[in-house]
Amino acid sequence: QVQLQESGPGLVKPSETPSLTCTVSGYSISSGYYWGWIRQPPGKGLEWIGSIYHTGSTYYNPSLKSRVTISVDRSKNQFSLKLSSVTAADTAVYYCARVVATAVTPLDYWGQGILVTVSP
Amino acid sequence: QSALTQPPSASGSPGQSVTISCTGTSSDVGTYNYVSWYQQHPGKAPKLIIFEVSKRPSGVPDRFSGSKSGNTASLTVSGLQAEDEADYYCSSYAGSDNVVFGGGTKLTVL
Repeated sequence: QVQLQESGPGLVKPSETPSLTCTVSGYSISSGYYWGWIRQPPGKGLEWIGSIYHTGSTYYNPSLKSRVTISVDRSKNQFSLKLSSVTAADTAVYYCARVVATAVTPLDYWGQGILVTVSP
Repeated sequence: QSALTQPPSASGSPGQSVTISCTGTSSDVGTYNYVSWYQQHPGKAPKLIIFEVSKRPSGVPDRFSGSKSGNTASLTVSGLQAEDEADYYCSSYAGSDNVVFGGGTKLTVL
């Protein structure tokens, strides 16, 4: 059974660059598929952030591309998200997920999500 | 890129059928057959229920079905059950390794 678990800071200050990590169990990232990040502001809809292959190949949402870096650590079976210069608008639940079929969609296994609040 | 357009709410009585629309453009829904639907219960992660327009992952009841016509995709839930009450999101491949989501539809079982 594939499982994903997000970890990272729950509260960050404006202008900081938080890092979130997704730990995958039940499947080796090196075996294939892309792995992605999606976020959901409180009470709002889903927004795709980006995805990465185990080789390091990445794809990013054009609207976030200048602030996003996604990386992979095959030895730990983890992938990570860094979002720079955060503002209150980046407050959201951040999900990691496995991507099947293409590099960006659909998403068949999801983590439970982690709420990241941006506040002074 | 613009989000896909979904009605904010939909409702039906137990046993009835309800259809949720998802309208995009010729740059996403109208061109690609990578339309997916996700079900999200309050406080939970989204769950994939339809992919590639009309395919169901293993374990998803056949009460859930998907279709597409032109720039509009649709999700139909037949034989509504209380547990179907949730938020539903559509998504579509939008070219250039990009994906867009709809704004979500809250389905209420009356």
